[in-house]
Amino acid sequence: NAGVTQTPKFQVLKTGQSMTLQCAQDMNHNSMYWYRQDPGMGLRLIYYSASEGTTDKGEVPNGYNVSRLNKREFSLRLESAAPSQTSVYFCASRGRPNTGELFFGEGSRLTVL
Amino acid sequence: QKEVEQDPGPLSVPEGAIVSLNCTYSNSAFQYFMWYRQYSRKGPELLMYTYSSGNKEDGRFTAQVDKSSKYISLFIRDSQPSDSATYLCAMSGDTDKLIFGTGTRLQVFP
Repeated sequence: NAGVTQTPKFQVLKTGQSMTLQCAQDMNHNSMYWYRQDPGMGLRLIYYSASEGTTDKGEVPNGYNVSRLNKREFSLRLESAAPSQTSVYFCASRGRPNTGELFFGEGSRLTVL
Repeated sequence: QKEVEQDPGPLSVPEGAIVSLNCTYSNSAFQYFMWYRQYSRKGPELLMYTYSSGNKEDGRFTAQVDKSSKYISLFIRDSQPSDSATYLCAMSGDTDKLIFGTGTRLQVFP
């Protein structure tokens, strides 16, 4: 059982380049999330999707867009990458709203030069 | 002000010690409280879950929630070197939005 799969695991970009982080879950979960983790800042919510077809902003949405392509997939796009977006990005999914456990992927390490 | 505050540590304790980890929060709508453990270069994993106020015990771990003080705690008894990790508190209210603390790095030395 793969759980939550993120691709790519590592990426180096130049300032201004665009890229998409892909996330897929095979647990039939309704809710999916994108977080970024920076030293001393913990996990900060970028966007989340409570169900297929819906997305909502989190704490730090500026500079990002998301797409909930279907129930399994939730992608995060950086249209014009900036050095401040250098971070580790985690995708997560949750089966039951509010009370369910959040299952995380292994993370995607992004460096913007 | 962040909605959830957590001391980043690091916290270094000897094996066998009792560890106390804490978070405070400002949003009175929070009613679901969780503790996640994260090993280096891995995604977080759920350790404890508590609804509303009260205590919950699971083996060497005890989670406490005091909603009147907006304060939650995680206690680890008989700490082991394998407990060395970053511990993150997380909480949510009626929406599906889950907010995390900054995490406390714990090191248990033999």
